[in-house]
Amino acid sequence: QAQLVQSGAEVTKPGASVKVSCKASGYMFSIYGITWVRQAPGQGLEWMGWINTYNGNTNYAQKVQGRVTLTTDTSTSTAYMELRGLRSDDTALYYCARVTSEKGRIYNGFDVWGQGTTVTVSS
Amino acid sequence: EIVLTQSPGTLSLSPGERGTLSCRASQSVDFNYLAWYQQKPGQAPRLLISGASSRATGIPDRFSGSGSGTDFTLTISRLEAEDFGVYYCQQYGSSPLTFGGGTKVEIK
Repeated sequence: QAQLVQSGAEVTKPGASVKVSCKASGYMFSIYGITWVRQAPGQGLEWMGWINTYNGNTNYAQKVQGRVTLTTDTSTSTAYMELRGLRSDDTALYYCARVTSEKGRIYNGFDVWGQGTTVTVSS
Repeated sequence: EIVLTQSPGTLSLSPGERGTLSCRASQSVDFNYLAWYQQKPGQAPRLLISGASSRATGIPDRFSGSGSGTDFTLTISRLEAEDFGVYYCQQYGSSPLTFGGGTKVEIK
């Protein structure tokens, strides 16, 4: 069955960068997009962006645009989220999820989720 | 950006009762691309409903979604003990995709 497995927890300092991986299995990777959502401690869900795994096109939320880069390695069915210039308010649980898209538009909810990766930013 | 406002903030219900969760959008959601998720403590969200009213694979039929435009509803027809958690609505009709603040469902 479809599954997304994320890399382990990260502890990093303000101003540094972090790169989280999300490995897909159980389905054809390039047919579905990958989106990233984060959740600060005790807070709700915040969408960060998504990547079309077929052509590499990306769409980022304005709040993180310029600091985030989404990429994929289709040879290993793995998606990556790199966040630069980390601040304390980037401390959160980061999720990847699978999306269905057509003609550049997401047209379904996020149906498969990774287990989440905790990123802690602290001096 | 479309702002989604969920109400109530908390819903306390007994098993067997009916629960109604509301999600109101600040502007019309394109194509009624509105989803509902359930999140339990320590777990990733789980997709319940897409397209305002289509149940995701494996979701029990006691969960139903309705609405269009700016007003959407998730109904749990007969609450079961396992239905506790926080429920989020999300619109994916226009960028940026946005989530509501959540409704916490407590079991009495």
